[in-house]
Amino acid sequence: AQSVAQPEDQVNVAEGNPLTVKCTYSVSGNPYLFWYVQYPNRGLQFLLKYITGDNLVKGSYGFEAEFNKSQTSFHLKKPSALVSDSALYFCAVRDMGRDTGRRALTFGSGTRLQVQP
Amino acid sequence: NAGVTQTPKFQVLKTGQSMTLQCAQDMNHNSMYWYRQDPGMGLRLIYYSASEGTTDKGEVPNGYNVSRLNKREFSLRLESAAPSQTSVYFCASRRLAGQETQYFGPGTRLLVL
Repeated sequence: AQSVAQPEDQVNVAEGNPLTVKCTYSVSGNPYLFWYVQYPNRGLQFLLKYITGDNLVKGSYGFEAEFNKSQTSFHLKKPSALVSDSALYFCAVRDMGRDTGRRALTFGSGTRLQVQP
Repeated sequence: NAGVTQTPKFQVLKTGQSMTLQCAQDMNHNSMYWYRQDPGMGLRLIYYSASEGTTDKGEVPNGYNVSRLNKREFSLRLESAAPSQTSVYFCASRRLAGQETQYFGPGTRLLVL
C-alpha cells in the first residue's frame, strides 16, 4: 500500500524568504504526486502535480515542487513567501491499483505553513 | 461553473440520529469520492463511485452508506451517528479518462454529540 509522510507539523518562515514544505512517499511503481492547499474553513485547492517528465513542476500562486526519485521526495517550494500563503498544505499520492475508476488519493497528515510579516 | 458543491456546511447531530450529506458537481466528471478529515490524519477515503450506478468502499466505510443518484450527485448517509463520526467531510470529483486531478468541495463540518 502507498503512503505519504509530511515530517513537519508546522513550518514558520518570514515574508520574502524562501519556503520548503517536505513530503516523502512510498509506492510501488512510478508515483503520481499532488500538492493541495487548504485555507481556513475552505476546501482543498489543487496546487500542482507530478505525473511524468521534468522533475521540477510549476504550479499555482508561484509554487513549485521538486520530484526526487532516489530520495522518494516531492518537496513543495516557493522562492519568496507571502503572508497570504499561510495555510495547511497536503501532499498526496494517487492510488496505483488497476481500478481506473478508483484512483483515490492517499494524503499526508498536512503541514501548517505560517508566514510572518 | 460552481465546481463541487456540498450541503450543509455545518451540522450538529445527537448520537443515533441520521443524516445525509449532499454533493453535486457540474463538471461532467465520472468519478466521485467522499473523504473525511480528522486532525493530524490527513484525508481518508470513505467511499467512491467510478460512474453512475456504481459505488465501492474505501478505507473507512463502516457506519456510512452512499448513493450515486446520477452523474452529478453523490450523497453520503449516516444511519446512526456516533461521536467517532465527528469530522469534516469532503466530496471530490475527477474526470475519468486521462485526468488525474481531483477537485474538492468546500466541506461539511459535522459534530456528533
